[in-house]
Amino acid sequence: GAGVSQSPSNKVTEKGKDVELRCDPISGHTALYWYRQSLGQGLEFLIYFQGNSAPDKSGLPSDRFSAERTGGSVSTLTIQRTQQEDSAVYLCASRDWVGGTYEQYFGPGTRLTVT
Amino acid sequence: SQQGEEDPQALSIQEGENATMNCSYKTSINNLQWYRQNSGRGLVHLILIRSNEREKHSGRLRVTLDTSKKSSSLLITASRAADTASYFCATDGSARQLTFGSGTQLTVLP
Repeated sequence: GAGVSQSPSNKVTEKGKDVELRCDPISGHTALYWYRQSLGQGLEFLIYFQGNSAPDKSGLPSDRFSAERTGGSVSTLTIQRTQQEDSAVYLCASRDWVGGTYEQYFGPGTRLTVT
Repeated sequence: SQQGEEDPQALSIQEGENATMNCSYKTSINNLQWYRQNSGRGLVHLILIRSNEREKHSGRLRVTLDTSKKSSSLLITASRAADTASYFCATDGSARQLTFGSGTQLTVLP
C-alpha cells in the first residue's frame, strides 16, 4: 500500500518568507509526527498529533512554527518568517496507535533551504 | 539534548566484515528501535527490542539491550556495500514520541 508522502521534496525560499510543508500519512494511522533533521545530525522532535487529542507541541523551536492536522489525516507544517537556521530536512512519520505497533513509518522528507 | 547517543559517529569497514554500533540512553524506556537512513532522507525501521528482552535477531542484524547500563548495540554481520547508510537508535519511553540519537555513519567499502 501507499506509504507516507511529503511535498514538496525540495523547497528553496528567501529569508523572511513563509513556507508550508505537507504530509500525507498512511491511511488509517491515527498518530502523526513531525521531525527536523539538520545536516549530519539526528532527528529533532517537533510536534505530535494523536487522534482528536490536543497536539503535543513541546518540540516546536519557536512561535514561528505551527502545524495542523485536518480531518485526522493530512498535516501541514508552517514556518513563518523563515530564518537561515530553519534550513533542514523536515520529516513526517505516522503510526497506527490502535494497532499497538511501535514502528513509525517515515516519509521521504522535505529539504528546506533558506537563502 | 538527544536521549540516545550512538558511537562511533562514523565507521568504515571492508565488505564482509561485521559492523558494531552502540547506543546509550538516559531515561527508562518501553522499547528501543534501530532505524536506517540513506542519503539524509526518510528513515526505515530495522528492528525493535522491548525493555524486557536482552537480544533479538533479524536476518544479518543482531541487537542487544542492557537496561542496567542503559545501552544497546546493533551488529550487522557479513556487511555489504549496500549497507552503507546512517544508523540511528531511538528510544520509546512514553510510547508516543521517539527520541533519536545523532547516528552512526557506516561506510562499507567494496
